[in-house]
Amino acid sequence: DQQVKQNSPSLSVQEGRISILNCDYTNSMFDYFLWYKKYPAEGPTFLISISSIKDKNEDGRFTVFLNKSAKHLSLHIVPSQPGDSAVYFCAAENLRGGADGLTFGKGTHLIIQP
Amino acid sequence: EPEVTQTPSHQVTQMGQEVILRCVPISNHLYFYWYRQILGQKVEFLVSFYNNEISEKSEIFDDQFSVERPDGSNFTLKIRSTKLEDSAMYFCASRPGLAGPNEQFFGPGTRLTVL
Repeated sequence: DQQVKQNSPSLSVQEGRISILNCDYTNSMFDYFLWYKKYPAEGPTFLISISSIKDKNEDGRFTVFLNKSAKHLSLHIVPSQPGDSAVYFCAAENLRGGADGLTFGKGTHLIIQP
Repeated sequence: EPEVTQTPSHQVTQMGQEVILRCVPISNHLYFYWYRQILGQKVEFLVSFYNNEISEKSEIFDDQFSVERPDGSNFTLKIRSTKLEDSAMYFCASRPGLAGPNEQFFGPGTRLTVL
């Protein structure tokens, strides 16, 4: 039961270009979506989130877009830097439903090439 | 900067043995979580804990699992009788409250290997 799907296991982008990571979900009850970044041997680190009532949230080089009708969100990183190389997880939660555990996608390994 | 800490970083145990994984959440946080990630798979929610009781648990969190906050700082996950399939990274997380979007802060994880 994959309520949150990240269909690209890996993505390679040249330094300085835009990285676009995609995520789809099936549960319309999710009210927050979050992106986490993970380096090997470390725990996930929060990057950016978006409420289901918004369609865009921006924080520095990171922008998350939400398309509720398509049940799709994306994370844009621009410009991409070598330190951005990591696994990126899309996650969702249903706080109104009292379910505060995060549902994660399988992750996308982003590789920034010099 | 405050952070979630976990001990040990790696635990090796024999099948059928009990293990206790320890976490120290960020001090002013009220909600605590355990997740696991089996090698090559996604991070999966196990349980959330608030006000000294479980607030939500997943199907994975069966009778073999229990959580406890034995004092004001530690948060533990106990697996009563480990199975081979319990081998995974276990992550503890905490958050200050539920008024969103308060992100969950994750610890570095404990790698559990069941032989």
